[in-house]
This record gives sequence, C-alpha cells and structure tokens, in this order.
Amino acid sequence: EAAVTQSPRNKVTVTGGNVTLSCRQTNSHNYMYWYRQDTGHGLRLIHYSYGAGNLQIGDVPDGYKATRTTQEDFFLLLELASPSQTSLYFCASSDAANSDYTFGSGTRLLVI
Amino acid sequence: GDSVTQMQGQVTLSEDDFLFINCTYSTTWYPTLFWYVQYPGEGPQLLLKVTTANNKGISRGFEATYDKGTTSFHLQKASVQESDSAVYYCVLECSGTYQRFGTGTKLQVVP
Repeated sequence: EAAVTQSPRNKVTVTGGNVTLSCRQTNSHNYMYWYRQDTGHGLRLIHYSYGAGNLQIGDVPDGYKATRTTQEDFFLLLELASPSQTSLYFCASSDAANSDYTFGSGTRLLVI
Repeated sequence: GDSVTQMQGQVTLSEDDFLFINCTYSTTWYPTLFWYVQYPGEGPQLLLKVTTANNKGISRGFEATYDKGTTSFHLQKASVQESDSAVYYCVLECSGTYQRFGTGTKLQVVP
C-alpha cells in the first residue's frame, strides 16, 4: 500500500542542537512537502520539492533547510534548533499541486 | 497573496445535528479547493475536492459547495455522528504550486 513514513515519531533536542527529520514515500509521487502544525495556525508549509534535487521555499522557511535526495526521500534539517521550532511536523506527497495529499503520521519535536 | 480563512475555531454539536462550516478564500484565479479531516494522532486526509468545473463535491455524507461569486467554500452534513469528531481544514490550491491550509475547525459531537 502506498504510504508516507516519517521518522522519528518523537524527538527531544536542546536549544542549538542539530536535528534531521526523515520522510519516505512509496507512492511514486513527484511532489513532497514539509508542514508544521501549531495550535491556532493550522498547517503551515515550510519547504517543498518537485523531484530529486529540487527544493522550493514555503511560507515559513526561516530556520529550516531541506534536501530531496531521491524521489522517495525528503529530509528536513534544523541546524540550530530553537524552542520556537517545537511543533508537530508532517510530511506529505502528491502527484501534483491540485491532487490529493498523502500525509505521514507526523514527528513531534520538542526543543528544550 | 493567496489566503484562506476559517473563522470557526471550534464547533460543538449533538448527534444528528446539522453541520455547517464556512471558509472564505482570496486569490486572483479559480483554484481547486479541498476539505481535509484530521483525527487524533493521525495526519490529515482528504475528505472532499472541488474544482471550478463541478462546484460541488459529496463524500461520506459530507457536501462541499464552492461559490466563486462570494469566494466562499462551505462544508455541510445533514446529521453528524460522534465518529465525525475531528479537525476539519479548508485548503486552497495556490497557483498550481502547493496547498495552503486554513487554521482548522475542531468539531466535537456529543452523544
């Protein structure tokens, strides 16, 4: 079954720490996305990608880097984590911008 | 830029009540609009997708209507059940690039 798998499920890091969130999709989709979910804000787009090696900036990119190494794998990097980046992060994939998104189960990140 | 607004942060209903959630959007073109639903502990999943070609969508007893004249997009259901308790997101396709989510409406249905 086509799926989006995120790891880790939970992560705790210290302020200034280095964190990598991973996402793998088996949907053969070209598009992949990273969102963060916060109370009162819904889901906000951080970065997205049209394919391997491609990276696009979303609505809230500050403090985040991303890399799409293959069609299947999309990584979100926090090189100097701050408490404001404590959030629930979702990865998604789709055929196109106006196609259904398939979401992962999320990674909960706590920066202390 | 493109934007989507959900004013209802939380809605509490009794079983068999009528559900109506409104959403407004702002854009310079005619986008595809979506409703996603998110259950506790899960990622959002697509509930309905409506394009400018059809203006209305129906799925799982929910109906979404797209009104280009008032730039609104609402979700309704005739009779809600406790299992419908979830967060509902109105979502706008942004210029053929990605989807922008509203802030969500948390629906609680009490038995």
